[in-house]
Amino acid sequence: DIVMTQTPLSSPVTLGQPASISCRSSQSLVHSDGNTYLSWLQQRPGQPPRLLIYKISNRFSGVPDRFSGSGAGTDFTLKISRVEAEDVGVYYCMQATQLYTFGQGTKLEIK
Amino acid sequence: QVTLKESGPVLVKPTETLTLTCTVSGFSLSNARMGVSWIRQPPGKALEWLAHIFSNDEKSYSTSLKSRLTISKDTSKSQVVLTMTNMDPVDTATYYCARINGDYENDYWGQGTLVTVSS
Repeated sequence: DIVMTQTPLSSPVTLGQPASISCRSSQSLVHSDGNTYLSWLQQRPGQPPRLLIYKISNRFSGVPDRFSGSGAGTDFTLKISRVEAEDVGVYYCMQATQLYTFGQGTKLEIK
Repeated sequence: QVTLKESGPVLVKPTETLTLTCTVSGFSLSNARMGVSWIRQPPGKALEWLAHIFSNDEKSYSTSLKSRLTISKDTSKSQVVLTMTNMDPVDTATYYCARINGDYENDYWGQGTLVTVSS
């Protein structure tokens, strides 16, 4: 099974400042069809997860452009350009190249 | 508008079998390359993928739970059913179903249903 490792596990951020979360996979996420199925989800307190980014860098419908994704192969990053209060929650990376696996989650909180 | 709704028992006893139903709307379980995943989340812990089923009836299961899980669908009822046998207190979790789109992404999620395993 592919293991997904996120860092940091907790990220205190000042409102208006950027935030960055890293995700590393135990093997390449490049699928045989040439796509890389790495996505990012947000889970606000008490809510179900919500898809933010898919295939590394594509924002899902309705996701603000302050969220961006990058990376390739086994190393990926989610960036929030200017953190807002509504961004508080836990962020998960997820791979769908070989079945599905989630990272441990990164808790984003306001300083 | 795509929606998914999980239903099932709130409480099950150890060793019992859990049956959960995901009722979908806004898309058809017969749409090409569409599917439904089941994912769970123990209280305060991370997400764990359990199983999925595609429109062509292709199924996959978590390696660690494969012997206990069965997934099926009833396209006419727009429902996907997950059964998990031999429930244990460590299986206490919120169970979610999510749509799989043509890009293998879980793009829409249900609200989840909390299942507690206790005698």
